[in-house]
Amino acid sequence: AQSVTQLDSQVPVFEEAPVELRCNYSSSVSVYLFWYVQYPNQGLQLLLKYLSGSTLVKGINGFEAEFNKSQTSFHLRKPSVHISDTAEYFCAVSDPNDYKLSFGAGTTVTVRA
Amino acid sequence: GAVVSQHPSRVICKSGTSVKIECRSLDFQATTMFWYRQFPKQSLMLMATSNEGSKATYEQGVEKDKFLINHASLTLSTLTVTSAHPEDSSFYICSASPTSAEQFFGPGTRLTVL
Repeated sequence: AQSVTQLDSQVPVFEEAPVELRCNYSSSVSVYLFWYVQYPNQGLQLLLKYLSGSTLVKGINGFEAEFNKSQTSFHLRKPSVHISDTAEYFCAVSDPNDYKLSFGAGTTVTVRA
Repeated sequence: GAVVSQHPSRVICKSGTSVKIECRSLDFQATTMFWYRQFPKQSLMLMATSNEGSKATYEQGVEKDKFLINHASLTLSTLTVTSAHPEDSSFYICSASPTSAEQFFGPGTRLTVL
């Protein structure tokens, strides 16, 4: 079984500042890793994913994440945020054998002008 | 591509009635569909996994007789909340997966039981 810990429940940030959202996972098997964004009253949109290969993954909207196997982390970063990045962000892991997703508790990002 | 729709987006019903929520993959065939439940300010909790043509697999603690799942085709899965009660009020989200490891999520259905 896998579990995901998002270390920050809320992250306030000023517009054009960088942001990092932290995610750690635990698993006894190799996993796939994902970051999703959720806007109010909407479903989830995939930002990026790590399945294999390069540990630095680039996603949509200027986001990137780095898979660190030794630290079992998959932190999400963006060098310069916009007001429109205000949303809930979820880190998730899945078992390649059954593709079930386990989600972290979420991080609320609030971007202020 | 990879669009998943849900219908309805919002539903309000009286206690004791049943509500059906549809999840459709619009431009791909989904061998597997997942149903999640999300309470306010909380994360998504997997309720069940459904594969086309077979019975759904429910997560521990989810009542299969209360939450009926039918995956009748490769593009449609339905979740029926039977005899709904106020505690069933929640945001229900489905996802669909083709043969790859990725899940594509629907926009969600807000259920309010009065």
